[in-house]
Amino acid sequence: NAGVTQTPKFQVLKTGQSMTLQCAQDMNHEYMSWYRQDPGMGLRLIHYSVGAGITDQGEVPNGYNVSRSTTEDFPLRLLSAAPSQTSVYFCASSYSGGRYQPQHFGDGTRLSIL
Amino acid sequence: SQELEQSPQSLIVQEGKNLTINCTSSKTLYGLYWYKQKYGEGLIFLMMLQKGGEEKSHEKITAKLDEKKQQSSLHITASQPSHAGIYLCGAVTGANSKLTFGKGITLSVRP
Repeated sequence: NAGVTQTPKFQVLKTGQSMTLQCAQDMNHEYMSWYRQDPGMGLRLIHYSVGAGITDQGEVPNGYNVSRSTTEDFPLRLLSAAPSQTSVYFCASSYSGGRYQPQHFGDGTRLSIL
Repeated sequence: SQELEQSPQSLIVQEGKNLTINCTSSKTLYGLYWYKQKYGEGLIFLMMLQKGGEEKSHEKITAKLDEKKQQSSLHITASQPSHAGIYLCGAVTGANSKLTFGKGITLSVRP
């Protein structure tokens, strides 16, 4: 049972570089989301998707891009990395968003921007 | 502004003691979730509450939802070192099913 798989687990980037954080789930969940976790800030929602082809912004979307071409995958793109984007990123999925089902979380990607 | 306020921010208890932590929403709750996180790890789902007055228990952890106060409490009985970690509450407060989180409460249990 893979659940929610995030890759890579660790990454170091230089300011201005771009990269894609990968997230895949094998539970046929419609709802997927990306969060970032910073000390003292809890989890903040970046982007979410209610199904293939449909995405929307969360609380802190600036500097990030997402797309959802398949049910299984929900990649997060950093367009031009900035030190403020140093964080731990979590991907989550559920059948129907947050109203009726708990979200399953991946193990996180620890990203450092130098 | 933070929609979900968790209190206290951190807590240190002696092993065997009971404790309660809280999560208060500034908006109407459509679903309330408790997660636990060990340092450097992912989130583990604990419990989901959806109806006012609902109460759920798992082992020594009990969570309650007070719909009128828009508040949930999580109570741990006879705490153990294994209970240590960060407790996060998440909630849906709108029709779009977005799940947002509080800042978390760091619990330490002294042996």
